[in-house]
Amino acid sequence: QKEVEQNSGPLSVPEGAIASLNCTYSDRGSQSFFWYRQYSGKSPELIMFIYSNGDKEDGRFTAQLNKASQYVSLLIRDSQPSDSATYLCASILTGGGNKLTFGTGTQLKVEL
Amino acid sequence: SAVISQKPSRDICQRGTSLTIQCQVDSQVTMMFWYRQQPGQSLTLIATANQGSEATYESGFVIDKFPISRPNLTFSTLTVSNMSPEDSSIYLCSVAQTRSPVEQYFGPGTRLTVT
Repeated sequence: QKEVEQNSGPLSVPEGAIASLNCTYSDRGSQSFFWYRQYSGKSPELIMFIYSNGDKEDGRFTAQLNKASQYVSLLIRDSQPSDSATYLCASILTGGGNKLTFGTGTQLKVEL
Repeated sequence: SAVISQKPSRDICQRGTSLTIQCQVDSQVTMMFWYRQQPGQSLTLIATANQGSEATYESGFVIDKFPISRPNLTFSTLTVSNMSPEDSSIYLCSVAQTRSPVEQYFGPGTRLTVT
């Protein structure tokens, strides 16, 4: 079982819709979770992080963490074609120091 | 956030040779890391670059193959030694400050092709 799992997609949503990206993790002791966006041919860009149960909002982005169910999600409201990218979920595992463990990423396509 | 640069941005190398990749940050950072991203794959941590001491390598990566230096708080190098086509990948450095949670920021990457 992979430590951080994501559906590879592609996830296609129409412009203006809400895109919902999900991530599950196996290490119950994981404390912090990060969402990165990676455009094709570019390096990952940190969108936001979350470490408390519940929701965290930043502009059009909302991260949700449910530690009991061991999942993290990223909602993108009013999706735009410029949001089309691969979204990587990452966590810091228990005893992992400051090391990030990445999921395989979900490709999002926002269609006109 | 810090501005991170990497050199070279891309290179094509012959098997058996070595390539050194540089990572430069415009401000002092506590932590520096080196990752590999193989085609169509996610990121895999190679090692944590420690200032003034030997790097800490992840399982499956060894110092003889990927020697790393970090002489100060703004600079690090990763060498890919005795390259084979399997080393063709994007190599990325990332930086972070000591805080909780640790936010890592990535450089632009070095695209390496081994022929």
